[in-house]
Amino acid sequence: DTEVTQTPKHLVMGMTNKKSLKCEQHMGHRAMYWYKQKAKKPPELMFVYSYEKLSINESVPSRFSPECPNSSLLNLHLHALQPEDSALYLCASSQERQETQYFGPGTRLLVL
Amino acid sequence: EDKVVQSPLSLVVHEGDTVTLNCSYEVTNFRSLLWYKQEKKAPTFLFMLTSSGIEKKSGRLSSILDKKELFSILNITATQTGDSAVYLCAVITDSWGKLQFGAGTQVVVTP
Repeated sequence: DTEVTQTPKHLVMGMTNKKSLKCEQHMGHRAMYWYKQKAKKPPELMFVYSYEKLSINESVPSRFSPECPNSSLLNLHLHALQPEDSALYLCASSQERQETQYFGPGTRLLVL
Repeated sequence: EDKVVQSPLSLVVHEGDTVTLNCSYEVTNFRSLLWYKQEKKAPTFLFMLTSSGIEKKSGRLSSILDKKELFSILNITATQTGDSAVYLCAVITDSWGKLQFGAGTQVVVTP
């Protein structure tokens, strides 16, 4: 089973809202990732968690706040986003950091 | 600066044709190369290549890596309309597992 699940599938929010994206995997993977993908572009890495600790923050603005409550869950808290943050947000996981990453279906976010 | 370059950027073929996609890379610390297929949503994993010259196959898809010439190819034989997608090549370049993606190749298979 190589399933990563993400909720919600779609999200529309205003610039003053606070919302959260959720990602879950039950494969026993120890590394989890958040990517942002704009239309017709490849995914761009935002954050890497390894063994529930933040390993990489790719200079992401503080209006994006990741959280890893346990080894199966990864959240992305959103606050005061801008319209240019509208994108597909993908979660991925891998057994260890340098191994194959499996992606979830993504959350399509629209910021108005 | 690490670079992953895919070619062509797009192509249109007829069902039954064979497609060859290219991925070249210039990176400071190569660890492995991955191919993904992306339709409307999440990229789905196809192959992970770490050693030169060993072909990986899955049905009508196959891929090989040349670490001397720094490139990989993905072949799709007897294409079907369901093969229409963006094919992404990505390289893992560091111990953190960061994926450096190419721009992708858009493949359209017409009936």
